[in-house]
Amino acid sequence: EADIYQTPRYLVIGTGKKITLECSQTMGHDKMYWYQQDPGMELHLIHYSYGVNSTEKGDLSSESTVSRIRTEHFPLTLESARPSHTSQYLCASGNRGTYEQYFGPGTRLTVT
Amino acid sequence: DAKTTQPTSMDCAEGRAANLPCNHSTISGNEYVYWYRQIHSQGPQYIIHGLKNNETNEMASLIITEDRKSSTLILPHATLRDTAVYYCIVPLPLSSGSARQLTFGSGTQLTVLP
Repeated sequence: EADIYQTPRYLVIGTGKKITLECSQTMGHDKMYWYQQDPGMELHLIHYSYGVNSTEKGDLSSESTVSRIRTEHFPLTLESARPSHTSQYLCASGNRGTYEQYFGPGTRLTVT
Repeated sequence: DAKTTQPTSMDCAEGRAANLPCNHSTISGNEYVYWYRQIHSQGPQYIIHGLKNNETNEMASLIITEDRKSSTLILPHATLRDTAVYYCIVPLPLSSGSARQLTFGSGTQLTVLP
């Protein structure tokens, strides 16, 4: 069983608020990812990191930002939440040299 | 990523083998086939991957044709908990300078019936 954690699991917040979604893994994986998925829709990569102080944007444009100061921690921040940010956010991690990724349980965000 | 084609949906009786096909006719020699699944409202789960030989683990078997243009994921004794969307993915080789990510696509909705 993969050890990757996301908090909060559910968040309802008003427009304009700043939010940070937490993601931590205890497997020592170099690579970490953030995906966004609307209900019934495909999963899209929004950010990834290949190691500390390394972050890149994914295929889907996102107003969120990420940081990777520690190997095990990859938080995602929205400076000013909007209803269009309502979605499920999934964090994943994996080792170099493979496309095996281990996913957290996700954060379901609703912006009112 | 090489393009993959999967059926939109499939049904399988509980206790029977579920055989999920995937076509990847444009696959190149050093590209692996990966399978993931996503149970409703959960994060995707890695199942198995292979290059050319058949692979088996505690979750499933992966059969890749000799020409590598298609593969089949086999769940030998499907249970109700195997109901999920199954994704067949052929990502760019990690040795490629462009290799970065998995593209999940729409997958196959497998429904295991009691």
